[in-house]
Amino acid sequence: GAGVSQSPRYKVAKRGQDVALRCDPISGHVSLFWYQQALGQGPEFLTYFQNEAQLDKSGLPSDRFFAERPEGSVSTLKIQRTQQEDSAVYLCASSLWERGPSTDTQYFGPGTRLTVL
Amino acid sequence: AQSVAQPEDQVNVAEGNPLTVKCTYSVSGNPYLFWYVQYPNRGLQFLLKYITGDNLVKGSYGFEAEFNKSQTSFHLKKPSALVSDSALYFCAVRASGAGSYQLTFGKGTKLSVIP
Repeated sequence: GAGVSQSPRYKVAKRGQDVALRCDPISGHVSLFWYQQALGQGPEFLTYFQNEAQLDKSGLPSDRFFAERPEGSVSTLKIQRTQQEDSAVYLCASSLWERGPSTDTQYFGPGTRLTVL
Repeated sequence: AQSVAQPEDQVNVAEGNPLTVKCTYSVSGNPYLFWYVQYPNRGLQFLLKYITGDNLVKGSYGFEAEFNKSQTSFHLKKPSALVSDSALYFCAVRASGAGSYQLTFGKGTKLSVIP
């Protein structure tokens, strides 16, 4: 079946521009996560949705970062007034509700590579 | 705070030899532990996880990992390495308990299997 998809795969933005990154989770997956992966580092948690509810946004690095999942399916990560330090790969992951988000396996998309010039 | 250490940035192993990729963790309470693999320009692929029960966990592609609570380790192993196993491997931990959503990853270990 189809996995997690993300678009665009690559995005180049000029400093100060706003960008929107899209995530299509696996159909029926309740939980959705966003991660930021800097070059040479492991992914770092940004935010978590359970259906349409954003239950944890503690990893968002600044108020320029905003995520939404209005209908409990597709999610969008928006970055306003992009800065060079925002350059990274943004990964989306989803999981089916089995025992809960702590133990459920997360399935990752291919990521969006954002480069801010 | 929870953390993961992968002490080796790179591991080289000859094809057919056993491989080990090391991981140690720090977390409050009982840990949930995961291994993922990342191929170039692709997302992370799940290999295996430890939640509870048997300390030896078997996963995809012949990989296994052993949970050692006293040493706070969760090393990834495979009896016979393949060239196709060459990739970037990430260990991750999450604390048990309600409201624990954050999965914390290590920095990754690059595995190179030499033909």
